[in-house]
Amino acid sequence: GEDVEQSLFLSVREGDSSVINCTYTDSSSTYLYWYKQEPGAGLQLLTYIFSNMDMKQDQRLTVLLNKKDKHLSLRIADTQTGDSAIYFCASETGANNLFFGTGTRLTVIP
Amino acid sequence: EPEVTQTPSHQVTQMGQEVILRCVPISNHLYFYWYRQILGQKVEFLVSFYNNEISEKSEIFDDQFSVERPDGSNFTLKIRSTKLEDSAMYFCASKLTTGTTDTQYFGPGTRLTVL
Repeated sequence: GEDVEQSLFLSVREGDSSVINCTYTDSSSTYLYWYKQEPGAGLQLLTYIFSNMDMKQDQRLTVLLNKKDKHLSLRIADTQTGDSAIYFCASETGANNLFFGTGTRLTVIP
Repeated sequence: EPEVTQTPSHQVTQMGQEVILRCVPISNHLYFYWYRQILGQKVEFLVSFYNNEISEKSEIFDDQFSVERPDGSNFTLKIRSTKLEDSAMYFCASKLTTGTTDTQYFGPGTRLTVL
């Protein structure tokens, strides 16, 4: 089955850019997602990218997809303290089920 | 904005007891899902449900688990005889269709603690 991997922790200073990386194994992934989870809350969809795209920008968020290397990244520009959360990468295959990474805990230092 | 709701937010039960976790998906959505997240681990797919039947289930979803849409609005996950290792956060999700522009919307989760 699909295996999605992420680094566990990232710390950045407020105002800097954050880059969260993710790798996946299933080349038939159709969509790749980024979800945000704040303490005690559910999974909030941030953005997604279709597998035939290599970049998507949405305000402060930029998603880059390298399909050849099966590598996905999420860049958050001008990171704020409110961005502190766990960020999950998820891959959707033809079965429409999501495979999640372990999540990256982003800590923004004021 | 419509959202997926789940109750209870936290359920504590004794090992061997039955639990029912409840979800109210977004009203016009047709596809429903349960996922779980054991503390410190990945969010894992359990089961998907469409047209009143299971579409797909993972290896985790064994005979101890069942799902039901009893009344057209609720979507429930039942665990018949809970084990310690069932302790996790359980997320419900719903999706309008399986169309290429639709995404899954997640509820806030139910934290299940099995003692």
